[in-house]
Amino acid sequence: EVQLVESGGGLVQPGASLKLSCVASGFTFSDYWMSWVRQTPGKTMEWIGDIKYDGSYTNYAPSLKNRFTISRDNAKSTLYLQMSNVRSEDTATYYCTRGGWFAYWGQGTLVTVSS
Amino acid sequence: DVVMTQTPVSLSVAIGQPASISCKSSQSLVGTSGKTYLNWLLQRPGQSPKRLIYLVSKLDSGIPDRFSGSGSETDFTLKISRVEADDLGVYYCLQGTHFPFTFGSGTKLEIK
Repeated sequence: EVQLVESGGGLVQPGASLKLSCVASGFTFSDYWMSWVRQTPGKTMEWIGDIKYDGSYTNYAPSLKNRFTISRDNAKSTLYLQMSNVRSEDTATYYCTRGGWFAYWGQGTLVTVSS
Repeated sequence: DVVMTQTPVSLSVAIGQPASISCKSSQSLVGTSGKTYLNWLLQRPGQSPKRLIYLVSKLDSGIPDRFSGSGSETDFTLKISRVEADDLGVYYCLQGTHFPFTFGSGTKLEIK
């Protein structure tokens, strides 16, 4: 069974950095592109970006690429999202998904940016 | 970015009645492969999104055939032939053809 478990969310101050993790199981992690998606409190969905199966290539939403970095550790079956200089508008639930087909989603991790 | 315009914002449907949601894209979703990467997702209250349909009309495993997807180019529709109580939630269309991938704003289905 495919499972994606995000962690690392919480309350963070504006301007700080935060790193989210997504541990995958139930499939060969190194065979798949992986994506991050976020959902604001108002329920707006936004694709953040994705990363190639070997970590050699990434795509980002243009509005986020200067502050967000996606990486992976295939030995640990783990996907990461490094967020820097966070803003109040980054407050959202962050989901990892398998590839660009969006067939599998984690349960999400909530990030709240507030002083 | 491709803008996905989803309507209606909400709809209230009685059990056993049909429902229809529209999603229009600001440009054609036909990719260079000739495939159209249009998905429909359902997010039930308190849950993560779940994909129902991919490539416009292909049902995911376990999704009842009460659900159907249709459309082409820029105009797409999700139909539920007979709404059941378990269908309540927010439906999103999502295009995976053009970077950055983009979502519709969602349609909230309530049971009347």
